[in-house]
Amino acid sequence: GAVVSQHPSWVICKSGTSVKIECRSLDFQATTMFWYRQFPKQSLMLMATSNEGSKATYEQGVEKDKFLINHASLTLSTLTVTSAHPEDSSFYICTPILPGRTTDTQYFGPGTRLTVL
Amino acid sequence: KQEVTQIPAALSVPEGENLVLNCSFTDSAIYNLQWFRQDPGKGLTSLLLIQSSQREQTSGRLNASLDKSSGRSTLYIAASQPGDSATYLCAVSVGQAGTALIFGKGTTLSVSS
Repeated sequence: GAVVSQHPSWVICKSGTSVKIECRSLDFQATTMFWYRQFPKQSLMLMATSNEGSKATYEQGVEKDKFLINHASLTLSTLTVTSAHPEDSSFYICTPILPGRTTDTQYFGPGTRLTVL
Repeated sequence: KQEVTQIPAALSVPEGENLVLNCSFTDSAIYNLQWFRQDPGKGLTSLLLIQSSQREQTSGRLNASLDKSSGRSTLYIAASQPGDSATYLCAVSVGQAGTALIFGKGTTLSVSS
């Protein structure tokens, strides 16, 4: 299966600061990455779709100016939570889409636990 | 709007028991259904994927079934072990490969030795 890494694995920050989360596909190039978040005891919910070389698309209710996504290369997508607040505390997880979309199995990163104080 | 529900939310069993986890979805027009395992604070591991045209898939002690018309899937775990303790997530795809998934809240399984 595909190898996906995320950094950091966990982060604690003060309210009002910005946090950048990296998602890397280590053994393939991904033109598309999905970003999900998971609140405690809730489902994983799709936040946004990251497209290499173009703007990300955001799901309804997700503020694009707060959650900045950059997909500058085929192996790296970043999610920046700007001016984080305690309600942004969540588990953020990415999944790159294999080129050619030849497989239905999706491979997820290990996730990033964000805690905003 | 597609919604995925998993029952029960939590389950505790002694080692060696066979068990069934349930997943239901509101719209039968799915492309496929996947079962994932999530360990505390960790990412997701894909366990089984069932295409909409299939009825079941098996991997080792795991068997997943799909009844698309009734909007249900089950994950059967045989001879449970303490190492099976985790949260099991069900997710459906409503499009071809590369479409985002819609997840249930999961069933948290605890297997005691």
